[in-house]
Amino acid sequence: AQSVAQPEDQVNVAEGNPLTVKCTYSVSGNPYLFWYVQYPNRGLQFLLKYITGDNLVKGSYGFEAEFNKSQTSFHLKKPSALVSDSALYFCAVRDMDTGGFKTIFGAGTRLFVKA
Amino acid sequence: ETGVTQTPRHLVMGMTNKKSLKCEQHLGHNAMYWYKQSAKKPLELMFVYSLEERVENNSVPSRFSPECPNSSHLFLHLHTLQPEDSALYLCASSQDRGLDTQYFGPGTRLTVL
Repeated sequence: AQSVAQPEDQVNVAEGNPLTVKCTYSVSGNPYLFWYVQYPNRGLQFLLKYITGDNLVKGSYGFEAEFNKSQTSFHLKKPSALVSDSALYFCAVRDMDTGGFKTIFGAGTRLFVKA
Repeated sequence: ETGVTQTPRHLVMGMTNKKSLKCEQHLGHNAMYWYKQSAKKPLELMFVYSLEERVENNSVPSRFSPECPNSSHLFLHLHTLQPEDSALYLCASSQDRGLDTQYFGPGTRLTVL
């Protein structure tokens, strides 16, 4: 069965510093991985996805994620954090075993960026 | 604005009430989803429709009843809910299954008294 884990409930970082939000996955076949962000009182917004190809995926708002097959990780990164990046971040994997309609989300990591 | 709208944004209802949540997508997508987001829990997939046909039902209690009259509209009919059903209900759509990105609406914050 497919699963994702976000080991940190919360990440705190100072504005201007690099940030990393961690995600590890477990899949039975090829991994199809996503990152979404949720701002207060809003739905989830797509940031980026890994399907195949380059291990470094670039996404919206200056975010990128590094796919590491040997460590089964897909960590979200940004070189310089902004206060406006403070939000709830979800890692997700598409469950292709059940026809591809099901996306399994991690529990979420709350990012606080302090000015 | 993601192209997915949900109404109402907030809903308070008693356990004996009947209400409906509405979702509309303006993206020409073929698949639509209902999720439940509770505090400190992962998103729970409730229902999936593809081309107006239900393809996934994750053992959701019968007090939640989905309806998809066409590929642009999705409803969630609610009746005799419990206080533990209080949550944020999110609608999403995608072009199709598989690798497509999902686009989420802003959600309906439901409180059951």
